[in-house]
Amino acid sequence: QQPVQSPQAVILREGEDAVINCSSSKALYSVHWYRQKHGEAPVFLMILLKGGEQKGHEKISASFNEKKQQSSLYLTASQLSYSGTYFCGTDNSGGSNYKLTFGKGTLLTVNP
Amino acid sequence: DGGITQSPKYLFRKEGQNVTLSCEQNLNHDAMYWYRQDPGQGLRLIYYSQIVNDFQKGDIAEGYSVSREKKESFPLTVTSAQKNPTAFYLCASGQGLLGYTFGSGTRLTVV
Repeated sequence: QQPVQSPQAVILREGEDAVINCSSSKALYSVHWYRQKHGEAPVFLMILLKGGEQKGHEKISASFNEKKQQSSLYLTASQLSYSGTYFCGTDNSGGSNYKLTFGKGTLLTVNP
Repeated sequence: DGGITQSPKYLFRKEGQNVTLSCEQNLNHDAMYWYRQDPGQGLRLIYYSQIVNDFQKGDIAEGYSVSREKKESFPLTVTSAQKNPTAFYLCASGQGLLGYTFGSGTRLTVV
């Protein structure tokens, strides 16, 4: 079953912050975050592992709450280049049969 | 530079025709994946392979077939049994718990 992402879409002005949430109905072993620009391939942003801590780079970070089976992506001081669709991918197997199930995505638009 | 190459970029299929989408990687990754992307649906898993000569069905495998004869290659055939094949198809590879690397995709249209 696909993880549920919220919100479906968000519009920001440059410099504003945003939070994108990803919830799973099953136990999570890892969560990936990707960004896809229109007509392009998704690009890997980061992975969060069960038992791991909040991760991030530059002004994009993420958290992982195993108990709530949720992950959140934080974008601070947004830039025009942050525009795109953000997907979370969840691993619910925890074993060697490793595969990701992706949410439907969150469309982020950053305006000047 | 290492990466994934998908071809063709655009493909047109007539009713009742089988077509094959190519996916090649030179990242030395063990696992490869095929996803289908439709507007508003996210990425849905068609097939995946963890090792050569072995593959598993994903969530929407009906009407599709794959092979994994070489580590570098994971072609996807869209058969005539797939009633609604028009979509954007993405191939990806991965190793362990590293992130996926995606190809640039093939846009398939039924004419």
